[in-house]
Amino acid sequence: AQTVTQSQPEMSVQEAETVTLSCTYDTSESDYYLFWYKQPPSRQMILVIRQEAYKQQNATENRFSVNFQKAAKSFSLKISDSQLGDAAMYFCAYRSEGGSEKLVFGKGTKLTVNP
Amino acid sequence: GAVVSQHPSRVICKSGTSVKIECRSLDFQATTMFWYRQFPKQSLMLMATSNEGSKATYEQGVEKDKFLINHASLTLSTLTVTSAHPEDSSFYICSATRQGISNQPQHFGDGTRLSIL
Repeated sequence: AQTVTQSQPEMSVQEAETVTLSCTYDTSESDYYLFWYKQPPSRQMILVIRQEAYKQQNATENRFSVNFQKAAKSFSLKISDSQLGDAAMYFCAYRSEGGSEKLVFGKGTKLTVNP
Repeated sequence: GAVVSQHPSRVICKSGTSVKIECRSLDFQATTMFWYRQFPKQSLMLMATSNEGSKATYEQGVEKDKFLINHASLTLSTLTVTSAHPEDSSFYICSATRQGISNQPQHFGDGTRLSIL
């Protein structure tokens, strides 16, 4: 079974600075998808960014980018120019390619943005 | 964009009551929907995969007779917590994926906060 590990229960960053959230995963599969979801206090799950394992290029969405290291099974999220609205829980998630589309989530990292 | 509506957003009821939560895909058809449970300050735990027209697939440790799932149409899945007790109090979230389009991310509802007195 696949597992996802987020080793940082909490992180903080100053407004306008950059922060990196860590995520590692364990799988024997070669094709899969990785996601970062944001959950603000409203508890709505918001997709931040996704990465297909077969793509070598790291995904980027505006201020959010990932560092995908397939061999190391690492998938970190970098938030640039942090904003107060970025404060939330961030969950890393894994999904197999094909078969069940269920997501396996990490335990989450609580991000605080200081003004 | 894809919208998933979950209703109700908040339920408070007495122990022993059965509670039904609805998950609807508003602008797309979803053959598969997922039900998650989230305890305070914890991650989402998958409870079951809801498949349109067939029985749900439950994760290990989830009581299928306790958490009844019905997915009668391509836009609606329901989760019924039967004879709810205080330990069933939690945040329940559904998600759905578009039918017929591979590699689509899951779209989440806004969740239901269930409190059993």
